[in-house]
This record gives sequence, C-alpha cells and structure tokens, in this order.
Amino acid sequence: DTAVSQTPKYLVTQMGNDKSIKCEQNLGHDTMYWYKQDSKKFLKIMFSYNNKELIINETVPNRFSPKSPDKAHLNLHINSLELGDSAVYFCASSQAGAGIYNEQFFGPGTRLTVL
Amino acid sequence: AQSVTQPDIHITVSEGASLELRCNYSYGATPYLFWYVQSPGQGLQLLLKYFSGDTLVQGIKGFEAEFKRSQSSFNLRKPSVHWSDAAEYFCAVGAQTNAGKSTFGDGTTLTVKP
Repeated sequence: DTAVSQTPKYLVTQMGNDKSIKCEQNLGHDTMYWYKQDSKKFLKIMFSYNNKELIINETVPNRFSPKSPDKAHLNLHINSLELGDSAVYFCASSQAGAGIYNEQFFGPGTRLTVL
Repeated sequence: AQSVTQPDIHITVSEGASLELRCNYSYGATPYLFWYVQSPGQGLQLLLKYFSGDTLVQGIKGFEAEFKRSQSSFNLRKPSVHWSDAAEYFCAVGAQTNAGKSTFGDGTTLTVKP
C-alpha cells in the first residue's frame, strides 16, 4: 500500500496554463506539506496543513493555492504557470503535535515542466 | 529560527570505503534531527532520527549518526559504502511545535566509485 501518493508523476504544460497536483496519504496523519525541489535539489517548504487548516505559508506567489478537502488530501493548484515553476513538487505528511517529533513521509514527487 | 548547514555539496567515495556526511544545525532548544536519502527520481526516505536518549542512533541500510550538542552537529556515517548508496542526502531539524515544520539542509550528493 502506498503511504503518500501523488498524481500525476509528470506534468508538461505551456506557460500561462492552470494545473493541479493531487496528494493523498493513508497513514492517518494530521499534517500534510508541499515542497518544491529545484534543479539544484534544494528543498523548500511551500505550505503545511494541519487538520485541513493552513498553518505554514512560506513566501509563495499567490498563483499557488493549496486545498485540503479532508485531512488525507492536500492538492496544489497553480494558476498562470511560469517557466520558473518548473521543478519537482513533493507532498509529505507527518503526525505533528506538541511533544511529537515530526518525521515526514514523502510522496514520489511530481515533475512539472513548463514550456 | 532553526537552520541546517550541510558543508559538503558533493562527496565521492570508493565502494567499500567509510563515509561521513556532515550536518550542523542551529536551534534554540533540544532539536529533533533527521537524515533523509533521496535516490535518483525518487522521493525522500527517512534513514534515521534523533530526539532524545542515546546520542548514537542507528538507522536503516547500515547508517548511523551521532548527535553532538557541544558541536551542534549530527553527522551521518557508514563503515562500508555500497554502490547503491549513491544518492542525495538531506539533514533536517524539526520544530517541537504543532506546526511540525522541518528545515532541510541543501543536501549532499554522494557518488560511489567502483
């Protein structure tokens, strides 16, 4: 059973388009995250949701909008795609909380290429 | 604010040789520390973690790491590297809050020579 899954695995699209990436976890975790990994492999957190509430929102353009319909799902919608959005996007989940160390479980990634 | 530094961007070792990847962290309290490995084209997988107790922690795939508070370090070691260990390695420090935010280092790329 896949713990954290993402769809699609690859996404190739034109500049200006709108696209979504979906993430689901079956671990029963309360917290989910989106990370962006650039071509140099640097990993930057974008968003974090805890029980469907946004708790971390790093400096990310407004074109990126996360949505959590329930605590097992966290989707990422991107409007007006730009060349610089090309990257690998990782979803992760953890059982975060006071006194609980937040080991994260990562999905396989979605490689987004904007042409 | 928490931060992580991995001083080595790229390390090359011969198969069978020992390995040490460095990680230095900055955090105001006792940190939660992690090492993750990312094989080519894959997501990140947890190798090991530390949050209290014995400062030498054992992980999967024969890796271990030692927490040294005086040096703010959490270096990853393996006595004998295998070709399959070639990957990207990330050190991370976690916050002891409900936000659960981890801060990742920039990663170290490990190349294994035959």
